[in-house]
Amino acid sequence: QVQLVQSGAEVKKPGASVKVSCKASGYTFTSYFIHWVRQAPGQGLEWMGIINPSGGKTTYAPKFQGRVTMSTDTSTNTVYMELNSLGTDDTAVYYCARNWNFLDYWGQGTLVTVSS
Amino acid sequence: QSALTQPASVSGSPGQSITISCTGTSSDVGGYKFVSWYQQHPGKAPQVVIYDVNKRPSGLSNRFSGSKSGNTASLTISGLQAEDEGDYYCRSYTTNNTWIFGGGTKLTVL
Repeated sequence: QVQLVQSGAEVKKPGASVKVSCKASGYTFTSYFIHWVRQAPGQGLEWMGIINPSGGKTTYAPKFQGRVTMSTDTSTNTVYMELNSLGTDDTAVYYCARNWNFLDYWGQGTLVTVSS
Repeated sequence: QSALTQPASVSGSPGQSITISCTGTSSDVGGYKFVSWYQQHPGKAPQVVIYDVNKRPSGLSNRFSGSKSGNTASLTISGLQAEDEGDYYCRSYTTNNTWIFGGGTKLTVL
């Protein structure tokens, strides 16, 4: 069965970076895009960007351009999302999700807390 | 890039029908057929209920339906059930080759 398993919760200080992983299984890794979506506490969903595991091409939301990097490791079927220069407003649950026109499978979410 | 506009909340009684709107522009909702809807229960990851404006994922109840007119997409849930309560988000492709979500709508089943 299709599964996206994300890395565990993180606590970071303002100005630091965080790297969240999303390990895929149960399907051909390079056949499906992966999106990253975040949700701040009590807030809505926010699209961050997309990566094509076949070739690594990325597109980022303008808000995160220059501060986010998405990458893949096809040897381990893992996608990574790194966010730099963290601020307290980056505290959120970060999700990876599969597909392009709609998100059919989601990871369990990774809580990133930014606090001094 | 502002979020797509959704009502903050809607409510209905069991058995009734409700509709949630999602308004964008010709650069997103109005320009593409790639509008999808997601249901989210507290503490859980979202799950898709409608994609490509009006298609239902395999196995999903036909009580969920979607449509679009101009720059506004709509999600209709008929025969409302208690389990339908939760948050609903629309999502659309945009001319910038990016994606955008709506602000979310809280559905309360009375």
